[in-house]
Order: sequence, then C-alpha cells, then structure tokens
Amino acid sequence: QVQLVQSGAEVKKPGASVKVSCKASGYTFTSYGISWVRQAPGQGLEWMGWISAYNGNTNYAQKLQGRVTMTTDTSTSTAYMELRSLRSDDTAVYYCARSDPRGHNDYWGQGTLVTVSS
Amino acid sequence: DIQLTQSPSFLSASVGDRVTITCRASQGISSYLAWYQQKPGKAPKLLIYAASTLQSGVPSRFSGSGSGTEFTLTISSLQPEDFATYYCQQLNSYHPFGGGTKVEIK
Repeated sequence: QVQLVQSGAEVKKPGASVKVSCKASGYTFTSYGISWVRQAPGQGLEWMGWISAYNGNTNYAQKLQGRVTMTTDTSTSTAYMELRSLRSDDTAVYYCARSDPRGHNDYWGQGTLVTVSS
Repeated sequence: DIQLTQSPSFLSASVGDRVTITCRASQGISSYLAWYQQKPGKAPKLLIYAASTLQSGVPSRFSGSGSGTEFTLTISSLQPEDFATYYCQQLNSYHPFGGGTKVEIK
C-alpha cells in the first residue's frame, strides 16, 4: 500500500533552516511527483511547491521562491523540503503528498509540525 | 497568479441535507481542479479530481462539476462523517488552494 512517512516535529529559532523528509513506499517513486503543502495553526492549506521524482524538475510558489528547496533521493525513495531564513509565520504543519501526473495529490504524509520561536 | 475563491466559507447543515460548495477561479483553468476533505488534526483526503472524477473509494454522494472558472462540489445527502472542511485546488500551473469551506452540524 502507498505510504508517505514524514520526519518528526522540529523547533527552530528565527533565521534558522529546517529540512523535512518524506519517505515513500508502495509505488514506483519516479513515476510520480511530490508536492509540499503547509497549514499554519487554524488556517487553510498553502501549496508550497512540487518536484518531479523522475527528473528533479521543480515548481515553487512565488511567495517562497529563494527560501525553499525541494529535492529527492531516488535511491531511498525519499523527498526533502528545506526552508531557510525561518520566521515565526512559518510555524505550521508541513505535509508531503504524492502528485499524480494529472496534478492531484492522492496520498498524503502524516504531517510534520515545525515551530519557529525564539 | 490564478486565485481561487470558495463560497461559502462556513455553512451549517443537517444530516441528510444536500450541500453545494462553489469554487471560482480568477482565470479559466479548464478542468484542472481537485477537491479535498480535511478533518481536524488529519491530512487532507482527495475526493474529486479533474473537476468531476470521483477518487477511488470515495462515496458516490460526493460529486463535482464545472469547468473554466466555476466549479461546484455537491454532497447529495450529508452524513455525520462529512462534517469537515473542504478545499478546492487548481492544478493548471501553480497549485493554490481555495480558502476552505467549513461544514458544521446545524
């Protein structure tokens, strides 16, 4: 069965970086993309970007351009999302999701809480 | 950037009611739209993709329609497990979400 398992919760200081991992299993990793979505406390869903696990092509939300980097390691079927220069408003649950070639996200990780606080 | 506007942002309904949620895109996006359900503390769940295709395993009381700039998600007979927040997402280039519609028990 398809599973996406994310790394554990993180607490970071403003200005630091965080790297969240998402290990996929149960399907051919390189046949799909991985999207990253975050949700601040009590707020809606925010799309952060997408990476092709086939060729590493990326598409980032304009708001995060320059601060976010998404990568994959096909040898371990793991996707990574690094966010730099963290601010308090980056505090959120971060989700990875498998992206079908048609774009929709059909399987999701369990979420990783990232707290940014001095 | 294409913006998605969902309405209403909140609705109160009873079990058995027919519920319709609207998602409007600021530009035409053909049928590049998906709908998700999210319950508190849980990851979103895919309900509908390509505007009207029901995801495998999703009950048939959920349906989606529309193309271009106006889309709807309909729940034909609301069940207790359907009380949740619903989001649309456009899949044309960037993939923003709508603001969400919270469905609560009347």
